[in-house]
Amino acid sequence: AQSVTQLDSQVPVFEEAPVELRCNYSSSVSVYLFWYVQYPNQGLQLLLKYLSGSTLVKGINGFEAEFNKSQTSFHLRKPSVHISDTAEYFCAVSPSGGYQKVTFGTGTKLQVIP
Amino acid sequence: EPEVTQTPSHQVTQMGQEVILRCVPISNHLYFYWYRQILGQKVEFLVSFYNNEISEKSEIFDDQFSVERPDGSNFTLKIRSTKLEDSAMYFCASSETLYEQYFGPGTRLTVT
Repeated sequence: AQSVTQLDSQVPVFEEAPVELRCNYSSSVSVYLFWYVQYPNQGLQLLLKYLSGSTLVKGINGFEAEFNKSQTSFHLRKPSVHISDTAEYFCAVSPSGGYQKVTFGTGTKLQVIP
Repeated sequence: EPEVTQTPSHQVTQMGQEVILRCVPISNHLYFYWYRQILGQKVEFLVSFYNNEISEKSEIFDDQFSVERPDGSNFTLKIRSTKLEDSAMYFCASSETLYEQYFGPGTRLTVT
């Protein structure tokens, strides 16, 4: 079984400042890792994914994440946030190679302050 | 860009009633999923569906739930006898490959 821990439930950050949203996972098998964003009253949009290869993954809207196998982490970063980045961000994991379920973390609400 | 659509966007029903939530996955996708998100909680997997059968389901997906692909385009989730605790946002997802799921906008189900 897989599990995902997002320790920060809320992260306030000033506009144009950098941000890091933390994610740690646990799994007994190889995994794929994802970050999804949920804007208010909307569905889930895939920001980026790690399947294999380079541990630094670039996604949409200027976000990137780095897979660290030894620390079982997949932290999300953006060098300069915008007001429009205010949303809830979910880290997720699924077993590699399968169509099996995606396990989500509890989410981190990013609040960008003007 | 193709997207997953879900109808209705909001469904209100009385406890004990049956509801059917509808999803139209992306047309060339082969794998289909339902998730739910109770207000304030994390997104939880319910079921995955491939080749006209359930491939995996969670402990939440008990006998009151069923899924169906009645035709070539729709994918439905039926809740037979709704309970108050079924109130949640229900997300449909689909994928072409085994590792990237595209989510719909969700149906908010309110059971009164």
